[in-house]
Amino acid sequence: AQSVAQPEDQVNVAEGNPLTVKCTYSVSGNPYLFWYVQYPNRGLQFLLKYITGDNLVKGSYGFEAEFNKSQTSFHLKKPSALVSDSALYFCAVIRSNDYKLSFGAGTTVTVRA
Amino acid sequence: GAGVSQSPSNKVTEKGKDVELRCDPISGHTALYWYRQSLGQGLEFLIYFQGNSAPDKSGLPSDRFSAERTGGSVSTLTIQRTQQEDSAVYLCASSLPRAGNTIYFGEGSWLTVV
Repeated sequence: AQSVAQPEDQVNVAEGNPLTVKCTYSVSGNPYLFWYVQYPNRGLQFLLKYITGDNLVKGSYGFEAEFNKSQTSFHLKKPSALVSDSALYFCAVIRSNDYKLSFGAGTTVTVRA
Repeated sequence: GAGVSQSPSNKVTEKGKDVELRCDPISGHTALYWYRQSLGQGLEFLIYFQGNSAPDKSGLPSDRFSAERTGGSVSTLTIQRTQQEDSAVYLCASSLPRAGNTIYFGEGSWLTVV
């Protein structure tokens, strides 16, 4: 079985401040980890993924995430948030020999001007 | 095409009617998924197609739901005798076949059953 937890329903930050969206996972075997963003009334947009290699992954729109195997975490970060980053963010996991993405419940990010 | 294409983008239907939702995956993507996004339920896996293999239908919530994929490309999700609890966003996604390849989502079909 595999599962993802996003412990915060909402994250509020001021524009220009660092943004962190937390994600922890549970999976047997090696995980493949993904972050997606959903803007209002839109589908899911891929941000970044961790498959193997360097634990720090860089993605679209200045986002990055760090894979931490010992803490089973994959937190999403952005050094300086923009108002346009306000959206719903989903963390997801697949086992390395599987194909089904399991999603977290999502975290709503609000960046205030 | 440039991305995963879904139609209709919005559908309002009366309870008891059948609906068909269409998905056109990214060219060359042999893996195709349907997910459902509803309030309080998050993102639920519905069905997975990979090439000519038998689909994984384990996420379909009832026998009112079915899906097919013709010619290894376009897929249709059919909901028979719609109920109000079927109101949700139905998201289609596609990818290259191996695990770890990026799964790309369409804009979704927003279904409202009245």
